[in-house]
Amino acid sequence: QLVLTQSPSASASLGASVKLTCTLSSGHSSYAIAWHQQQPEKGPRYLMRLNNDGSHIKGDGIPDRFSGSSSGAERYLTISNLQSEDEADYYCQTWGTGIRVFGAGTEVTVL
Amino acid sequence: EVQLVESGGGLVQPGGSLRLSCAASGFTFSTFSMNWVRQAPGKGLEWVSHISSTSTTIYYADSLKGRFTISRDNAKNSLYLQMNSLRAEDTAVYYCARQLSSVYVDDAFDIWGQGTMVTVSS
Repeated sequence: QLVLTQSPSASASLGASVKLTCTLSSGHSSYAIAWHQQQPEKGPRYLMRLNNDGSHIKGDGIPDRFSGSSSGAERYLTISNLQSEDEADYYCQTWGTGIRVFGAGTEVTVL
Repeated sequence: EVQLVESGGGLVQPGGSLRLSCAASGFTFSTFSMNWVRQAPGKGLEWVSHISSTSTTIYYADSLKGRFTISRDNAKNSLYLQMNSLRAEDTAVYYCARQLSSVYVDDAFDIWGQGTMVTVSS
């Protein structure tokens, strides 16, 4: 079964970095994922498509502070120089034939 | 500007029906697969349904059990979701989302609408 696992919360100070993890279920470690940001009371926003080799396709206007990387079944989103507007929920998403899956989301708090 | 605008949400009684629409602009709608995603109050994102560019491939989340029907009209640059036999647990904001690639049937979602609220209550 295709499942994505995310930690429920993360926090870091203004100007610091935070690294979020999205883990693919067993047997699916080669899958690409996407990262989406959802600020409070807003719709989701596409950040990037992240492949298993770490290559990625960013959305238009996404700052360089947002970067992605991969290792085995884990996909990472690193936010550098954390800003107040980065306080949001972050969802990973993957897909296969007949299915699209979201992780439960990670709530990022900027201290 | 690439844009998706949902409409058609509202308050409906349990057992009722509702048809959501999503108007696309700023890109060649007919070449992209599209999806519906919902978010219950205070909860995460849940994928609902997918339709390919020419409507030949359609997928639904297993949880819907045949109550929802996705469709599109490429001449009108519009996506639809017909929702029947609505239940309280269908209460959510419904988003339409475009898929990143116009080549692959399965891919990431890269453009999202602002959502339309559906409330199922008596």
